[in-house]
Formats: sequence, structure tokens, C-alpha cells
Amino acid sequence: NAGVMQNPRHLVRRRGQEARLRCSPMKGHSHVYWYRQLPEEGLKFMVYLQKENIIDESGMPKERFSAEFPKEGPSILRIQQVVRGDSAAYFCASSTQEGTQYFGPGTRLLVL
Amino acid sequence: AQSVTQPDIHITVSEGASLELRCNYSYGATPYLFWYVQSPGQGLQLLLKYFSGDTLVQGIKGFEAEFKRSQSSFNLRKPSVHWSDAAEYFCAVHRMQGTYKYIFGTGTRLKVLA
Repeated sequence: NAGVMQNPRHLVRRRGQEARLRCSPMKGHSHVYWYRQLPEEGLKFMVYLQKENIIDESGMPKERFSAEFPKEGPSILRIQQVVRGDSAAYFCASSTQEGTQYFGPGTRLLVL
Repeated sequence: AQSVTQPDIHITVSEGASLELRCNYSYGATPYLFWYVQSPGQGLQLLLKYFSGDTLVQGIKGFEAEFKRSQSSFNLRKPSVHWSDAAEYFCAVHRMQGTYKYIFGTGTRLKVLA
């Protein structure tokens, strides 16, 4: 049973470009979560989604960031007009209704 | 406000020594509790979790943790540390109902001396 898949693993963008991060949950998992980890810090919750629904986006910045989890395909975290402060590791996790989250390997975003 | 505190940012132990990593939480209700381990450049691996029942839980890689409601703590322990245990350890909580988002502690970085 494949784990949570994230791609790309590393992403380099110049300021002002768009970043699109993808997450495929574990088989049978319908809950997806995105977290951001800044250097030398813990993980901060961003958004929690179920298929076609955003359940909790209390951790998402109000501008430039959006997330979706369509009926078909992976969950996407989209960052428009990236700035240097967006440089971080972005982790996706998935779970069943039971709630234990399993994490992907992360996408390391570097903004030049 | 809900929070998770890991008081020790860095811990160094000798290989073969015992280990205890501290985790305290502040929550309005009984939370679900988790410990994860992260190796450099990697994702998080679940070590163990507590939902209810026996307050001493066993996890993978020889780790265990004890939930103490009176102290709002969920400390992670290992009787004998191996060099491969060097990593960063995160405690996390989420509510039993409603949103399942985790609140993480800031992590404890473990260094193991040969």
C-alpha cells in the first residue's frame, strides 16, 4: 500500500511566479491536510480538505494561497506570486475518519 | 488557547542510555495525542498514539509514551537509545471531534553520542 505521495520533492521559483504542490493521499483516505514547516520550526497547520470541500482553512494566509481536493486527482496547494518568505517545506498528510494522519515526504520550496 | 509545549529544544544522550522527551499540552478537552519522528530532509513517521484506554502506549522502534491527565503530559521514552534514533521528534494533538487538524510542538532534536 503506497504511502502519501507528494510532488515535486523540490521546487525552485523566482519571486512573482506560481508554485503548485501536489499530494496524493493514501489509498482509502478521504481527508487531506497541508502543513508548512519553516526552518528550525515545527509544523503549522494550513488547511484541511475532504473531497471537493474545504473543511478548515484557518491556517491559510488570506492572500495568494489556495487549496483544492477535486473529486478526481490529487490535492493541490497553489501559491501565487511567491515571495522569499514562502520558502519552506510543505507537508501533506492524509487520514481516514479515524483521524490519525500519515505524512508525505514533503515539497521543499525555494524562492529566489 | 490550545498549545503543545516541548520544553527541550535539543537533547544529547549516549548510545545505550535511556531517553525521555517531554510534551505538555493545553487543551479544553481530552485530546488525541501523537508522537512523530522526522529524519533530516524526510517526512514525519508516526511512532505512537493515544486515544483512550491504557495510559501507557507502545510504539514502533522500542518507544513508549505515558499519558498523564493530571499533568497534561504525554512524555516519550526509550530504555536504550540507538545511534539511528538521532532525529527530530514532534508531539502533536488534535481534538476528539470536529476538525482533525494537528497542533504540533516545536520539536526536540535528539543527538546520540557513540
